[in-house]
Amino acid sequence: ELKVEQNPLFLSMQEGKNYTIYCNYSTTSDRLYWYRQDPGKSLESLFVLLSNGAVKQEGRLMASLDTKARLSTLHITAAVHDLSATYFCAVHPSNQFYFGTGTSLTVIP
Amino acid sequence: EPEVTQTPSHQVTQMGQEVILRCVPISNHLYFYWYRQILGQKVEFLVSFYNNEISEKSEIFDDQFSVERPDGSNFTLKIRSTKLEDSAMYFCASRKRAGRGTADTQYFGPGTRLTVL
Repeated sequence: ELKVEQNPLFLSMQEGKNYTIYCNYSTTSDRLYWYRQDPGKSLESLFVLLSNGAVKQEGRLMASLDTKARLSTLHITAAVHDLSATYFCAVHPSNQFYFGTGTSLTVIP
Repeated sequence: EPEVTQTPSHQVTQMGQEVILRCVPISNHLYFYWYRQILGQKVEFLVSFYNNEISEKSEIFDDQFSVERPDGSNFTLKIRSTKLEDSAMYFCASRKRAGRGTADTQYFGPGTRLTVL
C-alpha cells in the first residue's frame, strides 16, 4: 500500500523561527508537489519538484527532494503569521495523486 | 487568470438521493480529477479522466460514483445513492498535460461541500 507520511502533523511555531516539515513516501515517484490549504479553502500549488536534488524557493518557503531517500522537505524561514495553514505534499507515480497526511502550521506572535 | 470553477458551493441532500457535482476545468487542460476531503482529514483521490474516459480510480470510487464530460467543458461527478459517509468537500482539479519532466501541476477548484442527512 502506498503511503505518504508527513511530520509533524501539527506545528506551532513562533514568528521569526525556522522549522522543517518532512514528507516521506513509500513508492517511486518522479515528481513531488507541495500544496497549501487555508481553513475552509481549496488547495493552492506551492512547488513542483521534478528530480532528485531539486530545490525550489518562494519567499520564506524552500522545498527540496531526495528521490533516493523518498523524502521531501519544506523549510520555513523566519515564520510570519501569514504562513499559518495546512501544508500537504503529494506524489504522482501514476495518473493519480497521493496526498500526505498534512501538516497544520500555526505561527504565533 | 483562468481558474477551475465548481457548482454548487454547498449541496445538502437526503441519504439515498442522487447528487451531481459540477466542475468547469481550465479550458486548455486535458486531465481532470475528482478528490474528496472529509473535514479535517487528508485529500483523497477519487478518479482521473483523460481523453473522455477514466484513466484511474481509487477504491473509494465504487459503482455508486460516475463521471462524465458531457459537453466538452463541464466535468461532472455523480453519486447515485448518497450515504452519510459521503459527506465531505469534493474538489475538482485539472491539469494541462502529464509528460515526463513537465512541471504541470493541478489547479484545484474551490470545492463543493456535500452534506448528506
